[in-house]
Order: sequence, then C-alpha cells, then structure tokens
Amino acid sequence: GAVVSQHPSWVICKSGTSVKIECRSLDFQATTMFWYRQFPKQSLMLMATSNEGSKATYEQGVEKDKFLINHASLTLSTLTVTSAHPEDSSFYICSAFQNGGSASGGPEETQYFGPGTRLLVL
Amino acid sequence: GQNIDQPTEMTATEGAIVQINCTYQTSGFNGLFWYQQHAGEAPTFLSYNVLDGLEEKGRFSSFLSRSKGYSYLLLKELQMKDSASYLCAVRDSNYQLIWGAGTKLIIKP
Repeated sequence: GAVVSQHPSWVICKSGTSVKIECRSLDFQATTMFWYRQFPKQSLMLMATSNEGSKATYEQGVEKDKFLINHASLTLSTLTVTSAHPEDSSFYICSAFQNGGSASGGPEETQYFGPGTRLLVL
Repeated sequence: GQNIDQPTEMTATEGAIVQINCTYQTSGFNGLFWYQQHAGEAPTFLSYNVLDGLEEKGRFSSFLSRSKGYSYLLLKELQMKDSASYLCAVRDSNYQLIWGAGTKLIIKP
C-alpha cells in the first residue's frame, strides 16, 4: 500500500514548549492531508484538513493558533503543537489523501495513515 | 446529523468466522471503508465498497447495501493476530470521512 511516514514516533516534552510533527507521503503526491488525534480507547477525531499551498481547515473546537499546520509541498505536512500542556498528550496521526490513481492497490482517493506520533507533555 | 454505528466489542474463537456490522446515516455517500487498528498503532486500510455487494480479499470480505445504509466486515479463519479494533468510515457528499467509534474484536484460543 501507499506509504506515509511520521516523525517523531514519540516525544516527551515539558509543559509550555512547542512540538513539531512531520507527515510525509513517500511514494505518491498528497494534495490533501488530514490530522487526527486519538485519546486512549476512543475513536479517531479529525483535527484539521490541510491542502497543499493553502490554509488548513480546522474542525470545530480545534484551536488553529495552538495547532499550527503547514502543508508546503505535495509530500510534507507539519503539525506544530504550540505551548503544549498535559491535556495535549495524545496519539496524533496523519493521513495522506492520494489524489488520482491507485498505484498502491487501494481505491482511488483512499486515505492512508502514518504510524502515528505519541505525545506526552509533562 | 451524521452517524455511524457499530458494536463496541465482540468476542470470537480462533479459527471461527465473525461478522462486524456497521450502519450509517450520512449526508450523501461516496464510499465506505473498513480499517484495522491494533492497540497503540495507526489504522491500516482493509477494504473499500462503493457499489452494493460483496468484496472479497483473502480472509476478509466486506459487504455493502446502500439502500439499507448497512455494511459488514466478515473475517474468516480467525487468527490471534486479528485481535484489534475495526473501524467503519463513510465518505460523505463533501468527501469527508465520517468515522465510527470502532469495534474491538477479542479472539480467544
């Protein structure tokens, strides 16, 4: 299947610091990427949709000034958690939206997920 | 509102067959996806249905009835490694994925 990578896979930081998470599509161009958050034993929660070259669209209740998203190229989107607090501790997952074609064997326009980034804010 | 319903948890025996149901009410329909998620890991794509009927892929099959707003994921010859959460997601008219809460499948020897 299509490969999406995330870095780092886990991070521990102090309260008040900022953390940047990278999401890359490795074998296809992703015009659209999605950022999700998942708390333990809960379902995925979509945070925002990022489109290459334009501003991200945030879901209701997600603070755009706290969760900065940049999608500067067709293969890279970044999520920066600014001034992180313990309640931001969660599993952050990106997915890349393969636009056109099914080279990976999945249906056209399938979302493929990165491996996730586990964030712990102390 | 938009809604995806699937059972919270199911238990099955190794080697058996299990069917996980998913019903949905969404604003439009542009395909239904099933994902598998092992604990502590990101979801992985399993199947996609956009037309009515059964899609078979090895031990896993997925069925869709658009008129009934219903899908199921069928897992055959269950293995211990199939213990995971199974997520049903529907793509609506805005091409947004609406996610179910997931079904935790427990496989017993």
